[in-house]
Amino acid sequence: GIQVEQSPPDLILQEGANSTLRCNFSDSVNNLQWFHQNPWGQLINLFYIPSGTKQNGRLSATTVATERYSLLYISSSQTTDSGVYFCAVEQTGNQFYFGTGTSLTVIP
Amino acid sequence: KAGVTQTPRYLIKTRGQQVTLSCSPISGHRSVSWYQQTPGQGLQFLFEYFSETQRNKGNFPGRFSGRQFSNSRSEMNVSTLELGDSALYLCASSQDREQFFGPGTRLTVL
Repeated sequence: GIQVEQSPPDLILQEGANSTLRCNFSDSVNNLQWFHQNPWGQLINLFYIPSGTKQNGRLSATTVATERYSLLYISSSQTTDSGVYFCAVEQTGNQFYFGTGTSLTVIP
Repeated sequence: KAGVTQTPRYLIKTRGQQVTLSCSPISGHRSVSWYQQTPGQGLQFLFEYFSETQRNKGNFPGRFSGRQFSNSRSEMNVSTLELGDSALYLCASSQDREQFFGPGTRLTVL
């Protein structure tokens, strides 16, 4: 199956700082989503972004499908942004392949 | 619209038992997928159902099975539980391609 690599694996930020999370994938994809997993385990949708750029408040994402990577930007980070961020890609058949995640800790 | 719901939220079983987990998708969504999340293996795809038919299956043993009903609700069953089946089981529903996840069922096998 397709390989999905996320970096960095761990990130510690001071509140108010900006960060960039990266997702590389090994083959062409039809779908790419970014999720935030809360402490209770639920995956919260951040972006559905197979290509292009989207913004939602302090978060934005860019996917360059031809170069097989996606970036998630978090600006002015808050303690509530802490958690694990996952990138997931799909080639066909609604089968998502997940990266290993970036664990973000925002300290006040 | 209500989100994806999963029941039960927590479950404790012993080795050798079987378990059934339930997932109700977002109204109007016909595709339901199941994933297993463990600290060692991360998030792995189990299977996907669409209109009561399994369309896709991940690399899991036959002890893991599922089904989908005419109202799109889905169940997954794990028979002959093993310690390694302890995990968070997540269900996702979709209408087009974007997937929406439920809160998960945390299964502990003792």
